[in-house]
Amino acid sequence: DQQVKQNSPSLSVQEGRISILNCDYTNSMFDYFLWYKKYPAEGPTFLISISSIKDKNEDGRFTVFLNKSAKHLSLHIVPSQPGDSAVYFCAASPLKTSYDKVIFGPGTSLSVIP
Amino acid sequence: DAGVIQSPRHEVTEMGQEVTLRCKPISGHNSLFWYRQTMMRGLELLIYFNNNVPIDDSGMPEDRFSAKMPNASFSTLKIQPSEPRDSAVYFCASLRGYNEQFFGPGTRLTVL
Repeated sequence: DQQVKQNSPSLSVQEGRISILNCDYTNSMFDYFLWYKKYPAEGPTFLISISSIKDKNEDGRFTVFLNKSAKHLSLHIVPSQPGDSAVYFCAASPLKTSYDKVIFGPGTSLSVIP
Repeated sequence: DAGVIQSPRHEVTEMGQEVTLRCKPISGHNSLFWYRQTMMRGLELLIYFNNNVPIDDSGMPEDRFSAKMPNASFSTLKIQPSEPRDSAVYFCASLRGYNEQFFGPGTRLTVL
């Protein structure tokens, strides 16, 4: 059973509009959440993270929202740019320092159309 | 820094053959991770080393899989014998202390 779910395998958005990528998790022990971005033929790269003591974390055009009661988080990209086209992985861990315990979601492929 | 280096980038082999994947972590990083990415299971951790010592290999699927880290700058993941269901992209990642992970570009393995 998947502990981290990304129910949309793909998403298409017009350049300049908002991209919203969703993620749900089932394990209430998760305390730290990460988003990774992956281009074809490259490894995932860390994008942004959030601790469970917060409900929002912002970094430039990227904002992650966490709703712990709903076990749901989302990544907002505003405004979306063609260079944002990639696969986005949501990930969760019981502790910020426990990278060996990180569980990844299956990914959402984002296409930003010029 | 060159980042995490993996070789080969692509490997095509026949069922039953031995496959060895290689990883050079970022200099100064003391933790190394091997992951496998498949369509069915997504990205899953196979094994984790800290200071060259295997800490958790519970993700290694079968005895056909083995991993070593003989020194701080080199690690191998071996599959012997390989099977078609081992076809996947294998990633190596490293980190220092409690900082973020850095992933290599991956090795795409195809077992015919």
